[in-house]
Amino acid sequence: EAGVAQSPRYKIIEKRQSVAFWCNPISGHATLYWYQQILGQGPKLLIQFQNNGVVDDSQLPKDRFSAERLKGVDSTLKIQPAKLEDSAVYLCASSLSFNKDAYEQYFGPGTRLTVT
Amino acid sequence: SQQGEEDPQALSIQEGENATMNCSYKTSINNLQWYRQNSGRGLVHLILIRSNEREKHSGRLRVTLDTSKKSSSLLITASRAADTASYFCATGAGSYQLTFGKGTKLSVIP
Repeated sequence: EAGVAQSPRYKIIEKRQSVAFWCNPISGHATLYWYQQILGQGPKLLIQFQNNGVVDDSQLPKDRFSAERLKGVDSTLKIQPAKLEDSAVYLCASSLSFNKDAYEQYFGPGTRLTVT
Repeated sequence: SQQGEEDPQALSIQEGENATMNCSYKTSINNLQWYRQNSGRGLVHLILIRSNEREKHSGRLRVTLDTSKKSSSLLITASRAADTASYFCATGAGSYQLTFGKGTKLSVIP
């Protein structure tokens, strides 16, 4: 089966510019996650969707970050305007989340963002 | 905030040796998972252990969980150069969310 797809793989922008990342989860996976991974650290959850609804966005900096999953499949994460500290790898993951009390997440290859 | 703390931060061993890395966490969980991340790539799920389990095996991997001490360990036996990667523990406490630690960087020298 096809894995989680993300694009672009790399992006370099100047501070105050905007950027968007795209994610296509594994077919049939109802839950989609966006993580931020700063160099040398573990992934930090930014937002979690269940179908096209937001389950948790408590760690999303909403003054500059936004995300949507309009049809319950693909998702986009946007940063506007970007700051230097947004330089990180942005990972998308998906999981099956029904009739299970524990689950594994499947990750895409990530988008490496450099803000100069 | 990050729930799990892996120890050691970095580990270097010879091929064929066993590698052990530990994870401690702070709050109650219903499952703990280990993931591997090769350089420049996404994370890959290795193994999941539920809070009512004490030990689990998968191939060359052995995971233990001690909920009274809020700790877990991952043992990789007969390591290979291809095991070189960062290993993360992730705790699950509901709502299908995981909280990741900072990871252990494992280097296996051929």
